[in-house]
Amino acid sequence: DAMVIQNPRYQVTQFGKPVTLSCSQTLNHNVMYWYQQKSSQAPKLLFHYYDKDFNNEADTPDNFQSRRPNTSFCFLDIRSPGLGDAAMYLCATSRDRTVGSNQPQHFGDGTRLSIL
Amino acid sequence: ILNVEQSPQSLHVQEGDSTNFTCSFPSSNFYALHWYRWETAKSPEALFVMTLNGDEKKKGRISATLNTKEGYSYLYIKGSQPEDSATYLCACHSGGSNYKLTFGKGTLLTVNP
Repeated sequence: DAMVIQNPRYQVTQFGKPVTLSCSQTLNHNVMYWYQQKSSQAPKLLFHYYDKDFNNEADTPDNFQSRRPNTSFCFLDIRSPGLGDAAMYLCATSRDRTVGSNQPQHFGDGTRLSIL
Repeated sequence: ILNVEQSPQSLHVQEGDSTNFTCSFPSSNFYALHWYRWETAKSPEALFVMTLNGDEKKKGRISATLNTKEGYSYLYIKGSQPEDSATYLCACHSGGSNYKLTFGKGTLLTVNP
């Protein structure tokens, strides 16, 4: 059974129209991550939540926001999608974020976002 | 900025062939290296997390080695099968106050029957 679930698998939105991507987890992990992967590029971390503590990457555009209403759910909001935001968006979790951790991350299947 | 390089970008092998590919990373401030397998239309799946120089891990026909002093890891697949076809991603954790995993672009493996 999938433990990190992303919805929808495919999302099409119009240029400038806000869109929300969803991620849920049944692992009860403290940390949830959002990555953006463009074609033939490395997955790039946008931000992560450690419990309720939000950690934005310095180069993540302001257009990208996130919410984590509870342990299980995390949302990625794109306020005004541009053509350059078309990508695969991956959600991942890990039990903890400690420096001493050697835990793997657990990924969802991703949401492929297209912009018209 | 941590730079993680993977080579080759892609390769095609025949069923039964053994193959290997490389992940290179800066040897300074190394903390951990992760390998993931990402099959089309599925989620990336963790293969190995390696932290110690000289570490060698094995999972079925897949194994990995780690050299932290020279900054590389090899992933080996023995007797490749069509179901091994996937993108293999490595990612590096530099520890300290930076909790981030930095990924390479991946190696796309295609195993032809």
